[in-house]
Amino acid sequence: QQQVKQSPQSLIVQKGGISIINCAYENTAFDYFPWYQQFPGKGPALLIAIRPDVSEKKEGRFTISFNKSAKQFSLHIMDSQPGDSATYFCAARGKGGGTSYGKLTFGQGTILTVHP
Amino acid sequence: NAGVTQTPKFRVLKTGQSMTLLCAQDMNHEYMYWYRQDPGMGLRLIHYSVGEGTTAKGEVPDGYNVSRLKKQNFLLGLESAAPSQTSVYFCASSYAIGAKTAYEQYFGPGTRLTVT
Repeated sequence: QQQVKQSPQSLIVQKGGISIINCAYENTAFDYFPWYQQFPGKGPALLIAIRPDVSEKKEGRFTISFNKSAKQFSLHIMDSQPGDSATYFCAARGKGGGTSYGKLTFGQGTILTVHP
Repeated sequence: NAGVTQTPKFRVLKTGQSMTLLCAQDMNHEYMYWYRQDPGMGLRLIHYSVGEGTTAKGEVPDGYNVSRLKKQNFLLGLESAAPSQTSVYFCASSYAIGAKTAYEQYFGPGTRLTVT
């Protein structure tokens, strides 16, 4: 079964610091790697995503780094703010036709706490 | 637009009882999904649908049934609830691009279900 492994389970950083969350996947049949952000009591929301044909994507303070050969990708949050405190999920979408389109495999989640 | 809505927000069931969770989306999305979220396990796909009248099993389908009679609605049923089904349930929807390739999934606010 396809898996995505995420670490760490929880992360505490000081305001202004860099938060780094890592994910690794086992199957090469993924073609899209999104990160979702979830605040308490809310549903997850797409934060940033990357395709495997690029090694990095940056949107504001959020950057995805992608290493295709190592089957790893990570989320970097620069200048972390208390408002970034949330649970972050990495995910990977499987390739393939038929009824498999759009299916995401999620990592286990990382609870980020940014102290003021 | 309301986006993705879920009914109810909270529910407590006794073992053996049945219930239906309703998901509705007003974005005219083709694809809809049901996930369960448990601590340390991320989001796991229960069932999904790629169009009206079609459904398919996800990663953890046992004990659940679904129906997609209308494009905008996706129902999740528990015929005989068990304590192991205590979880937070999220519905999501996504649009299809070109050759039925779906990207961003939009999530509802979740339903917290407790089975005693």
